[in-house]
Amino acid sequence: GAGVSQSPSNKVTEKGKDVELRCDPISGHTALYWYRQSLGQGLEFLIYFQGNSAPDKSGLPSDRFSAERTGGSVSTLTIQRTQQEDSAVYLCASSLVGTTSGSGANVLTFGAGSRLTVL
Amino acid sequence: GESVGLHLPTLSVQEGDNSIINCAYSNSASDYFIWYKQESGKGPQFIIDIRSNMDKRQGQRVTVLLNKTVKHLSLQIAATQPGDSAVYFCAENRNDYKLSFGAGTTVTVRA
Repeated sequence: GAGVSQSPSNKVTEKGKDVELRCDPISGHTALYWYRQSLGQGLEFLIYFQGNSAPDKSGLPSDRFSAERTGGSVSTLTIQRTQQEDSAVYLCASSLVGTTSGSGANVLTFGAGSRLTVL
Repeated sequence: GESVGLHLPTLSVQEGDNSIINCAYSNSASDYFIWYKQESGKGPQFIIDIRSNMDKRQGQRVTVLLNKTVKHLSLQIAATQPGDSAVYFCAENRNDYKLSFGAGTTVTVRA
């Protein structure tokens, strides 16, 4: 598609339930990122995928969070046993080069986000 | 600790005036900076970027200034329009791929 697509756009769940958030990056973009944006806050890095390399999971806040990227394209962020503090907008982004080394510019294109509300 | 931050969380500007949004960073090793604009209900959109070997870069109605001496980044918007109302984030590259974002400045354009 022309942009980064995320689904669902809104998700309301009960505390303790598992949720899955999906991201379709721009075709041809090798790098994929997940960020979390809490109300009125900046963007918090969660995880980064680049090609076939091992993902950088250093931003995942707990072991309840996991993500995978199948076939170098679609990514799913899974939150198990959701807690109220998980309520936030989860943003996915992709970029062509995934690095600012050399002449490349790491411009991330973001999706509209998935708003998660945990009751 | 190292952080990317903005001087002011909100900015109110009269339509037609110029806007200046400021950002301070603390990591002198950062070599790449980006400004993003986020409208309500949407994801952040790229505005303009700058590398550390430059001190100024211009786009359409926007200019980014980088002062490495005082670790300061600013975004200037000329002739601010109602469509410029949004939250503006600066982002800093601290390694090859991970962008770190500030908390954002909310710009409100008064008619």
